[in-house]
Amino acid sequence: DIVLTQSPGTLSLSPGERATLSCRTSQRVTNSYLAWYQQRPGQAPRLLIYDASNRATGIPDRFSGSGSGTDFTLTISRLKPEDFAVYYCQHYGSPPTTFGQGTKVEIK
Amino acid sequence: EVQLLESGGGLVQPGGSLRLSCAASGFTFTNYAMNWVRQAPGKGLEWVSASGTGANTYYADSVKGRFTISRDSSMNILYLQMDSLGAEDTAVYYCAKAATSSGKYAHFDYWGQGTLVTVSS
Repeated sequence: DIVLTQSPGTLSLSPGERATLSCRTSQRVTNSYLAWYQQRPGQAPRLLIYDASNRATGIPDRFSGSGSGTDFTLTISRLKPEDFAVYYCQHYGSPPTTFGQGTKVEIK
Repeated sequence: EVQLLESGGGLVQPGGSLRLSCAASGFTFTNYAMNWVRQAPGKGLEWVSASGTGANTYYADSVKGRFTISRDSSMNILYLQMDSLGAEDTAVYYCAKAATSSGKYAHFDYWGQGTLVTVSS
């Protein structure tokens, strides 16, 4: 199985700052089949990015994804209060699909 | 509007069984793969099982032989039959719609709110 390692574990930032989250995979991800999800406390995950760089429907353009191969990045250009949450990456290029352990973005 | 509504969670003793349901609406159920993803308390996300648009089904190694996924396309309901439950199965179970018909190569574009399964004596 492909192992996804997210870093950092926790990111402490202030509203308006830029957040950069990393997801590294143990094997190359076919077709850049990598997604990012946001999970707020007590809520279900929400799809943000798919195929490494495509924003899902209704996702603001301050969220962007990049990367290929084994290194992927989620960037939030200017943090809003509602962006403080846990973020997960997921690969789906080869079965079974797996998730990273998550990065928590907290208010500094 | 896509809606996924899970039910069937609860407290069950070790070794027991439980059946989860996910009622789907707002999309053509037969055109998309459907999945179960779980999250243990305070932990991350773990894919559990997928049901493709054909008869194909897929399972995580951790549940293979104990869990059975199925779907009733006439009622637009996804099921997860869970047998031989252990403490390690305690989690919130989410129903998640795949973005494609593939049960193997898909991200999840819609999620239900989840149903809590607690395995304890």
